[in-house]
Amino acid sequence: DAKTTQPPSMDCAEGRAANLPCNHSTISGNEYVYWYRQIHSQGPQYIIHGLKNNETNEMASLIITEDRKSSTLILPHATLRDTAVYYCIVRAASGGSNYKLTFGKGTLLTVNP
Amino acid sequence: GAGVSQSPRYKVAKRGQDVALRCDPISGHVSLFWYQQALGQGPEFLTYFQNEAQLDKSGLPSDRFFAERPEGSVSTLKIQRTQQEDSAVYLCASRGRPRETQYFGPGTRLLVL
Repeated sequence: DAKTTQPPSMDCAEGRAANLPCNHSTISGNEYVYWYRQIHSQGPQYIIHGLKNNETNEMASLIITEDRKSSTLILPHATLRDTAVYYCIVRAASGGSNYKLTFGKGTLLTVNP
Repeated sequence: GAGVSQSPRYKVAKRGQDVALRCDPISGHVSLFWYQQALGQGPEFLTYFQNEAQLDKSGLPSDRFFAERPEGSVSTLKIQRTQQEDSAVYLCASRGRPRETQYFGPGTRLLVL
């Protein structure tokens, strides 16, 4: 699976949009971009995933650049409960050991009141 | 419905003791995964089951680690002769079908003294 690079930490004001970047310059054509988050003392929680097109759900939006070498997770109106470590993961659609999730260190997002 | 549950939530063991960690996946989920998360790090893959078959145990750190899922539902991760370096959070995840996301439990925090 392609390697991802994320900033170690970010801050965001409550009520503002949080934009979390991820670089995955070696991503290949059949690899999806997944985002999970982990709130303190809890297990990772799935947020969203995408292949080429931008995606939106009730939690967040995922913007993937046209060359697919980077993406941004957007939390449109961050709340204090969004404080967590956010992981960007690249995972093949099928084949090999695509069942594994390979986590990096993620980005610690701190939402401030 | 209930999510993935794990027990105990916390375990303190003396070095050399054996421990057993339990995972109850989401009902009907075919795939089950164990991950290990050291302090300040992202989760790392340990092993993968499809029903009762252990298809990948490449992430188990040593032969002191053993996982089983005899009836294809509940799984137990056993660590024999625990060492201080085994201190970590052990996360279990389950998945319904291959293209679906993994749902994580809250983890078991193991401290070996």
